[in-house]
Amino acid sequence: QKEVEQNSGPLSVPEGAIASLNCTYSDRGSQSFFWYRQYSGKSPELIMFIYSNGDKEDGRFTAQLNKASQYVSLLIRDSQPSDSATYLCASKGDDKIIFGKGTRLHILP
Amino acid sequence: EAGVAQSPRYKIIEKRQSVAFWCNPISGHATLYWYQQILGQGPKLLIQFQNNGVVDDSQLPKDRFSAERLKGVDSTLKIQPAKLEDSAVYLCASSVLGEQFFGPGTRLTVL
Repeated sequence: QKEVEQNSGPLSVPEGAIASLNCTYSDRGSQSFFWYRQYSGKSPELIMFIYSNGDKEDGRFTAQLNKASQYVSLLIRDSQPSDSATYLCASKGDDKIIFGKGTRLHILP
Repeated sequence: EAGVAQSPRYKIIEKRQSVAFWCNPISGHATLYWYQQILGQGPKLLIQFQNNGVVDDSQLPKDRFSAERLKGVDSTLKIQPAKLEDSAVYLCASSVLGEQFFGPGTRLTVL
């Protein structure tokens, strides 16, 4: 059974600090990885995707991928109250996309 | 660019009744997905279409769920008969180059 694992949280982070969200995946054949943000009662929206080992930065967001450890992370710098949401990690391999259960992030004002 | 459209947005039915959901993907997106998201969990893929062909329906409960995408554009997902455990949000997504765009979802409550 191919799985994507995330800590369900909630993860509480003070405003202005760095939020670090982690994800592990079981399928070594996974080729690409996605981070989605989902506000309560809303549908997921894509924040970032990453294909290659290393870091990928986009504004306040940095995705990190380590294929040897089967580990993906998302860093949010200068966290804002509007970043409070559930963050879903997803892996894609052989045209199949598998989602984790998500981590609830709460930014403390 | 218009997003993924879904209807209805909300549906309440009694167990053993039937229900159908409709999805219109973003124009030009060949891949269409139906997901079930139960409260507190991540989306679970029910079925994936590439144009009008099924790519993956391994997690679709085929004894009660069916889906079609006859002309390779719009899609419908049907549940017949519904069970209490089918209460969830049903999300439709379409994609190009692997990047998925989700519709607003249909919240189904089965009483």
